[in-house]
Amino acid sequence: EAGVAQSPRYKIIEKRQSVAFWCNPISGHATLYWYQQILGQGPKLLIQFQNNGVVDDSQLPKDRFSAERLKGVDSTLKIQPAKLEDSAVYLCASKGGAGTGELFFGEGSRLTVL
Amino acid sequence: AQSVTQPDIHITVSEGASLELRCNYSYGATPYLFWYVQSPGQGLQLLLKYFSGDTLVQGIKGFEAEFKRSQSSFNLRKPSVHWSDAAEYFCAVGVGGSGYNKLIFGAGTRLAVHP
Repeated sequence: EAGVAQSPRYKIIEKRQSVAFWCNPISGHATLYWYQQILGQGPKLLIQFQNNGVVDDSQLPKDRFSAERLKGVDSTLKIQPAKLEDSAVYLCASKGGAGTGELFFGEGSRLTVL
Repeated sequence: AQSVTQPDIHITVSEGASLELRCNYSYGATPYLFWYVQSPGQGLQLLLKYFSGDTLVQGIKGFEAEFKRSQSSFNLRKPSVHWSDAAEYFCAVGVGGSGYNKLIFGAGTRLAVHP
């Protein structure tokens, strides 16, 4: 079974530029998450999708971050314009359904903002 | 508010020594508790989880964890550490919905292993 796929793995941009990250969850997983992991900290949930609807985006900085999950499959997270403090690893995860199923994580996309 | 505290930022042990990583959680309902491991440049891998029942749970790679409701703790243990265990370890609590629908993580404990 293929895991959660993310791209790109690494991205370096200058502040005020834009960047987009892509995630393809495990096939059939209805729930998709984007977490932000700043160096030295634990992952923090940015946004959660159930199929193609947003369940929780309370910690997403909506003035610069946006995310979509068209057709309820893959998802894109965009940052525009980027700030220095956005340097982090962006982790995508997926979960098969309600209840006690496991969250599976991708390898992450590491963003460096100069 | 829901939260997870990992008091130790960095731990160093010798290979073959025993290990205990501490985790305390704050959650009003029945906790679903997890330990994940993250090697450099990798995603998070589930080591073990506690949902209910026996408070001592076994995981992969020889790890175990004990849930203590009275102490709001879920400490991770391993009797004999291997050099390959050097990584960052995250404790998490699952919250929301039936079962759980998202994870809240602690800040992590970085484990170094001396030969």
